[in-house]
Amino acid sequence: EVQLVETGGGLVQPGRSLKLSCVASGFTFNNYWMSWTRQAPGKGLEWVASITNSGGSTYYPDSVKGRFTISRDNAQNTLYLQMNSLRSEDTATYYCTRAVSIRRVPVMDAWGQGASVTVSS
Amino acid sequence: DVVLTQTPPTLSATIGQSVSISCRSSQSLLHSNGNTYLNWLLQRPGQPPQLLIYLVSRLESGVPNRFSGSGSGTDFTLKISGVEAEDLGVYYCVQSTHAPNTFGAGTKLELK
Repeated sequence: EVQLVETGGGLVQPGRSLKLSCVASGFTFNNYWMSWTRQAPGKGLEWVASITNSGGSTYYPDSVKGRFTISRDNAQNTLYLQMNSLRSEDTATYYCTRAVSIRRVPVMDAWGQGASVTVSS
Repeated sequence: DVVLTQTPPTLSATIGQSVSISCRSSQSLLHSNGNTYLNWLLQRPGQPPQLLIYLVSRLESGVPNRFSGSGSGTDFTLKISGVEAEDLGVYYCVQSTHAPNTFGAGTKLELK
């Protein structure tokens, strides 16, 4: 069974940093792209970051580029999201997602339970 | 970025009723490799999203066959043939043909 377990969420002041982790199990971690997607309270879904299976390439939307860094440790089956210069609009539940490559295009097919991040003074 | 417009925003249904949700894209989702990367997710209350359908019409493993997807280019539809209580929640379409991945605003399916 595929399992994705996020940790590291919490309350943080604006301008500070936070690092999320996601431990994966039930599949061969280094065969898959991984992503982070977030959902603000009562709102829809927004893709935040993706990383290739080797970790050699990373991708971000403009809303977080330069502030967030996605990384992975394939030996530890763990995905990370380093979030710097946090803003109130980054308040959301952050989901770790697995992405299967279909003809070299990633499709998110499994989601963790999510980690709640609140940015407030 | 590609904008996905879902209609209706809210859908009221009785158990056993068949319903459809529309997802329209601001540009064609046909990829240069010939695939169309339009997927459907269901988020039940208090739960993370789960993948129901990928590549327009392919059912994810374990998803009941009362769910079906159709469409091409910019117009797509999710149909539920006989709503069951466990189907209640918010449905999202999502595209990965064009970077960045984008999501529709969601359609909430509730009991009438």
